[in-house]
Amino acid sequence: AQTVTQSQPEMSVQEAETVTLSCTYDTSESDYYLFWYKQPPSRQMILVIRQEAYKQQNATENRFSVNFQKAAKSFSLKISDSQLGDAAMYFCAYRWGAQKLVFGQGTRLTINP
Amino acid sequence: GAVVSQHPSWVICKSGTSVKIECRSLDFQATTMFWYRQFPKQSLMLMATSNEGSKATYEQGVEKDKFLINHASLTLSTLTVTSAHPEDSSFYICSATDYNQPQHFGDGTRLSIL
Repeated sequence: AQTVTQSQPEMSVQEAETVTLSCTYDTSESDYYLFWYKQPPSRQMILVIRQEAYKQQNATENRFSVNFQKAAKSFSLKISDSQLGDAAMYFCAYRWGAQKLVFGQGTRLTINP
Repeated sequence: GAVVSQHPSWVICKSGTSVKIECRSLDFQATTMFWYRQFPKQSLMLMATSNEGSKATYEQGVEKDKFLINHASLTLSTLTVTSAHPEDSSFYICSATDYNQPQHFGDGTRLSIL
Protein backbone atom coordinates (compact mmCIF):
# COMPACT_ATOMS: atom_id res chain seq x y z
CA ALA A 1 0.00 0.00 0.00
CA GLN A 2 1.08 3.52 -0.69
CA THR A 3 2.18 5.56 2.31
CA VAL A 4 3.29 9.14 2.79
CA THR A 5 5.52 10.18 5.68
CA GLN A 6 6.21 13.66 6.98
CA SER A 7 8.83 13.30 9.68
CA GLN A 8 8.67 16.89 10.94
CA PRO A 9 5.55 17.47 13.09
CA GLU A 10 6.53 21.13 13.58
CA MET A 11 8.86 23.60 11.92
CA SER A 12 9.53 27.26 12.49
CA VAL A 13 11.31 29.89 10.46
CA GLN A 14 12.07 33.58 10.70
CA GLU A 15 10.10 35.84 8.42
CA ALA A 16 11.88 36.36 5.07
CA GLU A 17 14.01 33.24 5.57
CA THR A 18 13.80 29.95 3.67
CA VAL A 19 12.41 26.71 5.07
CA THR A 20 12.22 23.19 3.68
CA LEU A 21 9.54 20.68 4.62
CA SER A 22 10.31 17.00 4.12
CA CYS A 23 8.15 14.27 2.66
CA THR A 24 8.87 10.70 1.68
CA TYR A 25 6.52 8.19 0.15
CA ASP A 26 6.38 4.55 -0.70
CA THR A 27 4.97 3.18 -3.92
CA SER A 28 5.66 0.57 -6.54
CA GLU A 29 4.04 2.64 -9.28
CA SER A 30 6.03 4.60 -11.84
CA ASP A 31 3.43 7.15 -12.88
CA TYR A 32 1.73 9.16 -10.16
CA TYR A 33 1.21 12.67 -8.83
CA LEU A 34 2.52 14.38 -5.71
CA PHE A 35 1.03 17.44 -4.04
CA TRP A 36 1.59 19.86 -1.24
CA TYR A 37 -1.53 21.29 0.39
CA LYS A 38 -1.69 24.12 2.89
CA GLN A 39 -4.32 24.22 5.65
CA PRO A 40 -4.42 27.54 7.52
CA PRO A 41 -6.39 27.99 10.78
CA SER A 42 -9.53 28.46 8.70
CA ARG A 43 -9.06 24.75 7.83
CA GLN A 44 -9.54 25.33 4.11
CA MET A 45 -7.35 23.00 2.05
CA ILE A 46 -5.33 25.01 -0.47
CA LEU A 47 -3.27 23.41 -3.23
CA VAL A 48 0.25 24.85 -3.10
CA ILE A 49 2.06 22.89 -5.77
CA ARG A 50 1.93 19.60 -7.68
CA GLN A 51 4.42 17.39 -9.46
CA GLU A 52 3.90 14.72 -12.09
CA ALA A 53 6.23 11.80 -11.49
CA TYR A 54 7.10 11.44 -15.17
CA LYS A 55 8.47 14.99 -15.25
CA GLN A 56 12.09 15.33 -14.16
CA GLN A 57 11.89 19.09 -13.78
CA ASN A 58 10.99 20.27 -10.31
CA ALA A 59 7.74 22.22 -10.07
CA THR A 60 7.83 25.87 -9.03
CA GLU A 61 5.06 28.29 -8.05
CA ASN A 62 6.40 31.71 -7.14
CA ARG A 63 8.06 31.36 -3.70
CA PHE A 64 7.26 27.66 -3.50
CA SER A 65 9.38 24.99 -5.13
CA VAL A 66 9.89 21.28 -4.73
CA ASN A 67 12.86 18.96 -4.76
CA PHE A 68 11.55 15.77 -6.33
CA GLN A 69 13.88 12.79 -6.05
CA LYS A 70 12.03 9.91 -7.69
CA ALA A 71 14.58 7.20 -6.98
CA ALA A 72 14.75 8.19 -3.33
CA LYS A 73 10.95 8.67 -3.20
CA SER A 74 11.42 12.08 -1.68
CA PHE A 75 9.35 15.20 -2.30
CA SER A 76 10.37 18.21 -0.20
CA LEU A 77 8.81 21.67 -0.30
CA LYS A 78 10.95 24.79 -0.15
CA ILE A 79 9.36 28.08 0.84
CA SER A 80 11.51 31.11 0.07
CA ASP A 81 11.12 34.56 1.61
CA SER A 82 8.70 33.22 4.22
CA GLN A 83 5.74 35.42 5.03
CA LEU A 84 3.44 35.52 8.04
CA GLY A 85 0.62 34.29 5.84
CA ASP A 86 2.54 31.08 5.17
CA ALA A 87 1.86 29.89 8.71
CA ALA A 88 -0.29 26.77 8.42
CA MET A 89 -0.37 22.99 8.44
CA TYR A 90 1.25 21.60 5.33
CA PHE A 91 0.26 18.20 4.00
CA CYS A 92 2.14 16.18 1.45
CA ALA A 93 -0.09 13.92 -0.65
CA TYR A 94 0.24 11.18 -3.25
CA ARG A 95 -2.22 10.18 -5.93
CA TRP A 96 -2.32 7.30 -8.35
CA GLY A 97 -4.98 5.61 -10.43
CA ALA A 98 -8.44 6.20 -9.04
CA GLN A 99 -7.57 9.71 -7.92
CA LYS A 100 -7.61 8.80 -4.24
CA LEU A 101 -5.25 11.01 -2.28
CA VAL A 102 -3.02 9.59 0.43
CA PHE A 103 -1.96 12.26 2.91
CA GLY A 104 1.02 12.51 5.19
CA GLN A 105 0.63 13.36 8.85
CA GLY A 106 1.25 17.05 8.30
CA THR A 107 3.83 19.61 9.38
CA ARG A 108 2.82 22.67 11.36
CA LEU A 109 4.79 25.67 10.12
CA THR A 110 5.23 28.71 12.34
CA ILE A 111 6.60 31.99 11.00
CA ASN A 112 8.44 34.12 13.54
CA PRO A 113 8.23 37.87 12.91
CA GLY B 1 -9.81 28.34 -10.22
CA ALA B 2 -12.35 25.64 -9.53
CA VAL B 3 -14.74 26.28 -6.67
CA VAL B 4 -16.28 23.72 -4.37
CA SER B 5 -18.97 24.85 -1.98
CA GLN B 6 -19.73 22.91 1.20
CA HIS B 7 -22.75 23.57 3.37
CA PRO B 8 -23.33 24.01 6.24
CA SER B 9 -20.02 25.24 7.61
CA TRP B 10 -21.04 24.50 11.19
CA VAL B 11 -23.85 22.48 12.65
CA ILE B 12 -24.82 21.60 16.21
CA CYS B 13 -27.50 19.03 16.81
CA LYS B 14 -28.84 16.67 19.42
CA SER B 15 -27.76 13.07 19.74
CA GLY B 16 -29.92 10.72 17.69
CA THR B 17 -30.70 13.14 14.88
CA SER B 18 -29.50 12.86 11.29
CA VAL B 19 -27.42 15.56 9.64
CA LYS B 20 -26.95 16.18 5.93
CA ILE B 21 -23.90 17.91 4.51
CA GLU B 22 -23.83 19.10 0.90
CA CYS B 23 -20.88 19.41 -1.42
CA ARG B 24 -21.29 21.27 -4.71
CA SER B 25 -18.90 21.92 -7.55
CA LEU B 26 -19.84 25.39 -8.78
CA ASP B 27 -17.99 25.77 -12.05
CA PHE B 28 -17.11 22.30 -13.24
CA GLN B 29 -18.63 18.85 -13.49
CA ALA B 30 -17.25 16.61 -10.78
CA THR B 31 -17.05 13.03 -11.95
CA THR B 32 -15.70 12.01 -8.57
CA MET B 33 -16.20 13.42 -5.09
CA PHE B 34 -14.46 12.42 -1.90
CA TRP B 35 -15.45 12.71 1.74
CA TYR B 36 -12.85 13.11 4.46
CA ARG B 37 -12.94 13.30 8.22
CA GLN B 38 -10.35 15.24 10.20
CA PHE B 39 -9.79 15.03 13.94
CA PRO B 40 -8.04 17.93 15.73
CA LYS B 41 -4.37 18.22 14.89
CA GLN B 42 -4.51 15.18 12.63
CA SER B 43 -4.41 14.52 8.93
CA LEU B 44 -7.37 13.97 6.66
CA MET B 45 -8.82 10.49 6.69
CA LEU B 46 -10.63 9.39 3.56
CA MET B 47 -14.07 8.02 4.34
CA ALA B 48 -15.45 7.28 0.90
CA THR B 49 -15.24 7.92 -2.81
CA SER B 50 -18.37 8.66 -4.79
CA ASN B 51 -18.83 8.63 -8.53
CA GLU B 52 -21.85 10.22 -10.13
CA GLY B 53 -24.67 7.76 -10.62
CA SER B 54 -23.09 4.86 -8.76
CA LYS B 55 -22.75 3.65 -5.21
CA ALA B 56 -20.03 5.11 -3.06
CA THR B 57 -16.92 3.12 -2.23
CA TYR B 58 -16.21 3.19 1.48
CA GLU B 59 -12.83 2.86 3.11
CA GLN B 60 -12.20 0.03 5.51
CA GLY B 61 -13.67 0.69 8.92
CA VAL B 62 -16.20 3.30 7.77
CA GLU B 63 -19.80 2.32 8.47
CA LYS B 64 -21.77 2.74 5.27
CA ASP B 65 -25.08 2.62 7.13
CA LYS B 66 -23.93 5.40 9.44
CA PHE B 67 -22.49 7.65 6.73
CA LEU B 68 -24.80 7.68 3.73
CA ILE B 69 -23.36 9.20 0.58
CA ASN B 70 -25.34 10.19 -2.48
CA HIS B 71 -23.86 11.56 -5.70
CA ALA B 72 -26.96 12.11 -7.79
CA SER B 73 -25.55 14.67 -10.20
CA LEU B 74 -22.23 15.85 -11.57
CA THR B 75 -22.31 18.89 -9.30
CA LEU B 76 -23.72 17.61 -6.01
CA SER B 77 -22.80 14.99 -3.44
CA THR B 78 -24.30 14.67 0.01
CA LEU B 79 -23.12 13.02 3.20
CA THR B 80 -25.77 12.13 5.75
CA VAL B 81 -24.66 11.19 9.25
CA THR B 82 -27.51 9.04 10.52
CA SER B 83 -28.48 8.81 14.18
CA ALA B 84 -25.52 10.96 15.10
CA HIS B 85 -23.81 10.54 18.46
CA PRO B 86 -21.12 12.60 20.23
CA GLU B 87 -18.35 10.38 18.85
CA ASP B 88 -19.38 11.47 15.35
CA SER B 89 -18.42 15.04 16.19
CA SER B 90 -15.61 16.03 13.85
CA PHE B 91 -14.60 18.16 10.91
CA TYR B 92 -15.83 16.79 7.58
CA ILE B 93 -14.35 17.95 4.27
CA CYS B 94 -15.38 17.13 0.74
CA SER B 95 -13.38 17.40 -2.44
CA ALA B 96 -14.25 17.15 -6.10
CA THR B 97 -12.41 16.41 -9.29
CA ASP B 98 -13.03 15.83 -12.95
CA TYR B 99 -10.91 13.15 -14.56
CA ASN B 100 -7.25 13.89 -13.91
CA GLN B 101 -7.47 17.36 -12.44
CA PRO B 102 -6.29 17.99 -8.85
CA GLN B 103 -8.87 17.65 -6.14
CA HIS B 104 -10.54 20.89 -5.14
CA PHE B 105 -11.69 21.05 -1.54
CA GLY B 106 -14.72 22.54 0.13
CA ASP B 107 -14.29 24.69 3.22
CA GLY B 108 -15.37 21.90 5.53
CA THR B 109 -18.17 21.35 8.02
CA ARG B 110 -17.70 21.39 11.76
CA LEU B 111 -20.18 18.91 13.24
CA SER B 112 -20.92 18.99 16.96
CA ILE B 113 -23.28 16.44 18.48
CA LEU B 114 -24.59 17.24 21.94
